[in-house]
Formats: sequence, structure tokens, C-alpha cells
Amino acid sequence: DGGITQSPKYLFRKEGQNVTLSCEQNLNHDAMYWYRQDPGQGLRLIYYSQIVNDFQKGDIAEGYSVSREKKESFPLTVTSAQKNPTAFYLCASRHGGRNEQFFGPGTRLTVL
Amino acid sequence: QKEVEQDPGPLSVPEGAIVSLNCTYSNSAFQYFMWYRQYSRKGPELLMYTYSSGNKEDGRFTAQVDKSSKYISLFIRDSQPSDSATYLCARNSGGSNYKLTFGKGTLLTVNP
Repeated sequence: DGGITQSPKYLFRKEGQNVTLSCEQNLNHDAMYWYRQDPGQGLRLIYYSQIVNDFQKGDIAEGYSVSREKKESFPLTVTSAQKNPTAFYLCASRHGGRNEQFFGPGTRLTVL
Repeated sequence: QKEVEQDPGPLSVPEGAIVSLNCTYSNSAFQYFMWYRQYSRKGPELLMYTYSSGNKEDGRFTAQVDKSSKYISLFIRDSQPSDSATYLCARNSGGSNYKLTFGKGTLLTVNP
């Protein structure tokens, strides 16, 4: 069953802690993306990667880091430098040469 | 001026009504447009995509693009309670990074 999985579904973090959100896809897509969604603000791009071992900052990369060691995996680390990390985080992927992005189910991060 | 503007609603209609959801955009570069549907606490689901002016139909859904007015619309015929969701429009400017710019979404409720 092909698709994009994100884990965990819910994540709670204490202030000052780093946390890593998982994103895996078995669609053989080349590109992967991380977005943040806040109420009333739509989706904002954090980081994206078009090939393995390469990634670029999006519009709101400060306080986040990523890696792309495997084609199917694109984990996002929310660091303690991110001042307002409570949000819904969405991972997406795209087949090379196509415009459409397909999304995972999301991870809701809450900072306590 | 934001690249993609979308009326956030909320929009409430009776079952069976025709729904019109709209977005405007400001950048006239090569355009590829998408509509996503997002149920509460879920990831966005790709509904339709188009890159040309005119209409594209898929079942009860019609996507319309008017490049002269920089206006994109999604029409839902015979709306159902299961259509109740947030609808997001997105555009891709056609650059090599395939980044998407999203509207903030319109919350639709279809009342039985």
C-alpha cells in the first residue's frame, strides 16, 4: 500500500528539548517537503529536498534542521531555537518532473 | 501583496447546493494550479490540478482558471455533508524547485 507516513501522530515536548519528526514514503518520489500549518495561516514551507543528500531552506527554516540520507526518508528536527514550535507539521512528496505534491497525515507538536 | 489570496470563509451551505470556492493570485509567471481538500486534523488530499485556462471536470468537481483575471475557482455540484472540509488552493510558478504557494484555505460546511 503506497503512501506517505508520518510519526508520531501527536508529540509533546518540553521547552528546551529537540524533537525529531519522521516522514517516510514508498512512492519512489524524488522530492520531499516539510510544511508547518498554523490556524489561519495556511501552509508554510520549512525545508525541501529534490535529491538524496541535498536540501534547501524554505520560507521559515530558522530553528529547524533536516537530513536526506535515503530517498524514502526526510526527518525534521525541531530544535530549541525554534521560538514557537507548537503547530501541525506536514510532510509531502513529489515525483520528479511533476508538479503535484502528496501529503502525509501530519504530526501535531505541542510544547508544554 | 500575498501571492495567493483565498477567502477564509467560513462558508455554510445546505446539502445539494452548488459551492463556489475562489482564489486570486498576483504573479503572472508560468502557472500550475492545484486544489486540496483537508479534513480536520488530517493531511491535505489532492483533488484537482490544472495548468491551462478554462475548465477541468472530475465528477462533481470543476476547476476553473481565468488567467486574464488571475482568478481560480473550484465548483462542487450536489454538495454532500462529506464535502465539509477546508479547501486549499495552491500554485506552482514553474521554477525548477517546484515550490508551491498555498492560500490560507476556505472552511466549508455542508448541512444535511
